[in-house]
Amino acid sequence: DTAVSQTPKYLVTQMGNDKSIKCEQNLGHDTMYWYKQDSKKFLKIMFSYNNKELIINETVPNRFSPKSPDKAHLNLHINSLELGDSAVYFCASSHGGGGETQYFGPGTRLLVL
Amino acid sequence: DAKTTQPPSMDCAEGRAANLPCNHSTISGNEYVYWYRQIHSQGPQYIIHGLKNNETNEMASLIITEDRKSSTLILPHATLRDTAVYYCIVRSPKTSYDKVIFGPGTSLSVIP
Repeated sequence: DTAVSQTPKYLVTQMGNDKSIKCEQNLGHDTMYWYKQDSKKFLKIMFSYNNKELIINETVPNRFSPKSPDKAHLNLHINSLELGDSAVYFCASSHGGGGETQYFGPGTRLLVL
Repeated sequence: DAKTTQPPSMDCAEGRAANLPCNHSTISGNEYVYWYRQIHSQGPQYIIHGLKNNETNEMASLIITEDRKSSTLILPHATLRDTAVYYCIVRSPKTSYDKVIFGPGTSLSVIP
């Protein structure tokens, strides 16, 4: 019954590795997002994906790449992980983009050593 | 930086109303005020949103001032499960995505 799910819940890895976080939503929404919550608890949007249109926050390093195999999934791939990538990553979805209400997943806690 | 400012923390006695303020003095005419909350170790949860009229749903009430520069989220009868960080954000269908930022929010502690 989980509306927005993410895997894994926890991810501990070494610097320089490549990792992926998966997100799935069963709400029938057509827009999905990735957010990063840093140590100061600011939650900032990284990407928005709507009907295969990708809108990128330009402050996000290009080591981060979203991949959407279909409308219900938006995975986040991270290359060459750095210490500063340690954070909690949240996936979200909404019906349409822009001002619509977003539904968030439980988060993936990434720790880069 | 977030376009809203909120007090960092508040306490509320269980069973009493919790009134959480938010300032959004630079809000533009087509921007909605949204409230979300984040219970420890969970993803943010939508609570309520409004444009200029007061709104109420099963979770809370939202009071927006006439000039729209501030708003108050009201939890009418706070319970221990309402202990969470509450985020106030403003956005519109035309909000540039890199401007969508949840600030540090207000950490609400409901006390028995």
